Amino acid sequence: AQSVTQPDIHITVSEGASLELRCNYSYGATPYLFWYVQSPGQGLQLLLKYFSGDTLVQGIKGFEAEFKRSQSSFNLRKPSVHWSDAAEYFCAVGANSGYALNFGKGTSLLVTP
Amino acid sequence: GAGVSQSPSNKVTEKGKDVELRCDPISGHTALYWYRQSLGQGLEFLIYFQGNSAPDKSGLPSDRFSAERTGGSVSTLTIQRTQQEDSAVYLCASSVRQEYGYTFGSGTRLTVV
Repeated sequence: AQSVTQPDIHITVSEGASLELRCNYSYGATPYLFWYVQSPGQGLQLLLKYFSGDTLVQGIKGFEAEFKRSQSSFNLRKPSVHWSDAAEYFCAVGANSGYALNFGKGTSLLVTP
Repeated sequence: GAGVSQSPSNKVTEKGKDVELRCDPISGHTALYWYRQSLGQGLEFLIYFQGNSAPDKSGLPSDRFSAERTGGSVSTLTIQRTQQEDSAVYLCASSVRQEYGYTFGSGTRLTVV
């Protein structure tokens, strides 16, 4: 069965520290991969996406993610976290059109001073 | 429009009443998706439209839930005889192609009392 796993429910980092949020998936073929961010009381905003080509993708707000086929992972990274990055982060996986994206349960990021 | 518009933004209803939630997607986006987000949970897929047809309605939790889309544009999600467990944020998204990702609306927060 197709699935998306975000192993960390909550993560706390200090402002200025680096960040890595994990995402693992189980899909039959190379999927389309996405990271979304949801700030409190807001809708979901697309941070970045991968569907082919260079496995390291750059997104908005200084985020990047790397697709690793051998590990079935698509981890999100940021070199230096800002207090405004505190939010819920969702990894999403999809296949060809015809099926909706499958979302992970999310990782809540807390940024401390 | 410039973004995905959902109405109402908040809805409080009594148990047993019917409710209608509306989604107005981005103009030209042929695909439309409904998800549900309960407190502390990820996004639960409900139904997907391509044009006016629904190739995948597998996520609708019961026959109390239905949805339609007209003119390849506006969609309405209807919940009949609402129950307390229906309380959640209902999110609508639209897209042109799966690999481009989705644009989400701000959601409708439904509270059943």
